Amino acid sequence: DTGVSQNPRHKITKRGQNVTFRCDPISEHNRLYWYRQTLGQGPEFLTYFQNEAQLEKSRLLSDRFSAERPKGSFSTLEIQRTEQGDSAMYLCASSPRKERGPTDTQYFGPGTRLTVL
Amino acid sequence: GESVGLHLPTLSVQEGDNSIINCAYSNSASDYFIWYKQESGKGPQFIIDIRSNMDKRQGQRVTVLLNKTVKHLSLQIAATQPGDSAVYFCADASSGGSYIPTFGRGTSLIVHP
Repeated sequence: DTGVSQNPRHKITKRGQNVTFRCDPISEHNRLYWYRQTLGQGPEFLTYFQNEAQLEKSRLLSDRFSAERPKGSFSTLEIQRTEQGDSAMYLCASSPRKERGPTDTQYFGPGTRLTVL
Repeated sequence: GESVGLHLPTLSVQEGDNSIINCAYSNSASDYFIWYKQESGKGPQFIIDIRSNMDKRQGQRVTVLLNKTVKHLSLQIAATQPGDSAVYFCADASSGGSYIPTFGRGTSLIVHP
């Protein structure tokens, strides 16, 4: 399967713990996006990367959230000191966009469902 | 407030009927929209997009209509099948937002056999 993959698919943690999610984009896609989706809502944009550069991070929900894409391939999203309100589905998407403009489709992964007890 | 929104949270149709899912947006400068389908346990899947220089765009069994005057768009699915059952989102992915889609709440389409 050459689609976007995310691991783990499910994560249950206790409040206050740190969690890290991984996203592997479609090979050679240079843009990678993270979203959060809560029940009954559409995905909410968090941050994105062009290769290894994080081009937008002002929409990260708090300073407890951080993301990396050190080699321009896979990415990780970390949430420190988790809170019950962080419980949600965390989605990753990638696109092959090379130029600015709506020319490339985002392909979404299956998501990681986080439950904070 | 929400910049894009679906009109109905749930739409039930019979297999073989045509389905119409409606969406409104608030920003008159919005110039690019995407419809996504999200099945249970999966991420959103691109269905079709439309730019503001068009009123209509057709794909396979789907048609998107854009009415800029009333800031409304719709997704029409012809001959709806059980496999079309999913949550559908319209998203504003306009140039002012760096083409990153802003999703509204979805409409859950339920297709009865």
